[in-house]
Amino acid sequence: RKEVEQDPGPFNVPEGATVAFNCTYSNSASQSFFWYRQDCRKEPKLLMSVYSSGNEDGRFTAQLNRASQYISLLIRDSKLSDSATYLCVVNGAGSQGNLIFGKGTKLSVKP
Amino acid sequence: DTAVSQTPKYLVTQMGNDKSIKCEQNLGHDTMYWYKQDSKKFLKIMFSYNNKELIINETVPNRFSPKSPDKAHLNLHINSLELGDSAVYFCASSQLPGAVLYNSPLHFGNGTRLTVT
Repeated sequence: RKEVEQDPGPFNVPEGATVAFNCTYSNSASQSFFWYRQDCRKEPKLLMSVYSSGNEDGRFTAQLNRASQYISLLIRDSKLSDSATYLCVVNGAGSQGNLIFGKGTKLSVKP
Repeated sequence: DTAVSQTPKYLVTQMGNDKSIKCEQNLGHDTMYWYKQDSKKFLKIMFSYNNKELIINETVPNRFSPKSPDKAHLNLHINSLELGDSAVYFCASSQLPGAVLYNSPLHFGNGTRLTVT
């Protein structure tokens, strides 16, 4: 099992749609979870952290299920500017806990 | 501007050459990283330094040698470049090692697109 697995997509959705991305991770000792966003030919940027109780930031909602080792990101009312690759990120094993990136899910929002 | 800046943005070179990529951050962060993103878009950590000390060294050929003259700089030197080294190399920084705290996210530079011919 890969350390962090995501559906690569692409997800092609119309503006205004709701879209959900899933991610699974293999290290049950992981404590920190994030979603990063990467635009084409740009650097990744933090979108939001994922807290145990779930959290929301505007149109974005992140959920964590530790028992299933599963993380999700929900985007409501999709905008054209949401088109990007969404990277699921989990801290890895070891005391330094380096971050492990998933390969990303590509989202394309169409007019 | 406060940022992580790396140079050059593009680097095209021939096999066997030696090249360096420079990275500087003015965010006052203690930890810096080098990540490699290959053609399949997989982003993998290579090295991490905390206050000039190496704390993460993943399975990377010893042709790759990081150098941190101070905590604001982390340069990457690559000897005897190979075709498989072609990738985008991202420098990043965070306030704390491993960015394990939620208020310590990674800040990435713009990336250096290395092409080895």
